[in-house]
Amino acid sequence: QVHLQESGPGLAKPSETLSLICSVSGDSISSDSDYWSWIRQPPGKGLEWIGYIHHSGSTNYNPSFKSRLTISVDTSKNQFSLKLRSVTAADTAVYYCARVDAAIFWFDPWGQGSRVTVSS
Amino acid sequence: DIQMTQSPSSLSASVGDRVNISCRASQSISNYLNWYRQRAGKAPELLIYAASSLPSGVPSRVSGSGSGTDFSLTISSLQPEDFATYFCQQSFSSSLTFGGGTKVEIK
Repeated sequence: QVHLQESGPGLAKPSETLSLICSVSGDSISSDSDYWSWIRQPPGKGLEWIGYIHHSGSTNYNPSFKSRLTISVDTSKNQFSLKLRSVTAADTAVYYCARVDAAIFWFDPWGQGSRVTVSS
Repeated sequence: DIQMTQSPSSLSASVGDRVNISCRASQSISNYLNWYRQRAGKAPELLIYAASSLPSGVPSRVSGSGSGTDFSLTISSLQPEDFATYFCQQSFSSSLTFGGGTKVEIK
């Protein structure tokens, strides 16, 4: 059974970089049939897709984040990571990682989520 | 970006009720439409993919239909675990987008 787990600081300062890691177990991140994605949910609001990566390093980012986003993959650790630069209070959210089906692009499964607050 | 609009934004229902949730896309997305359920304080879970296909483990009281711009999610007999928020998501465009959500509350 595939399991994803987010990890990283729960607090980031304004203008700094938010960094999270997603550890994958029960599946190889090097599978050609999968992408690996980040999605976030601000408090009390809906879901916002951030971007995804393939084990080859190919990425697709939400244009809203493109200028300050980096998603990378470490196949040796079966992990992928998120770096979001120049954060503001508007980036306060629960951040989820998820596996993406490479054919229809649905998200399944999801990690439990990592709450990140941007505050000085 | 393709905009996804869900209706209603919330509804109240009782155990055993039939519930329908709508999702409309701002342009045709064929059948590239997925549905998720999010219970309070939990991560979303995939309910339906490709508009009408059920992943293994999803009960048959859940169904999805539609194509083009108009889609619906139906729960034929609401169970206690179905009181949650439901999101649709389009995967036609490379810029993936979600609907705003529909909260199903206990009447």
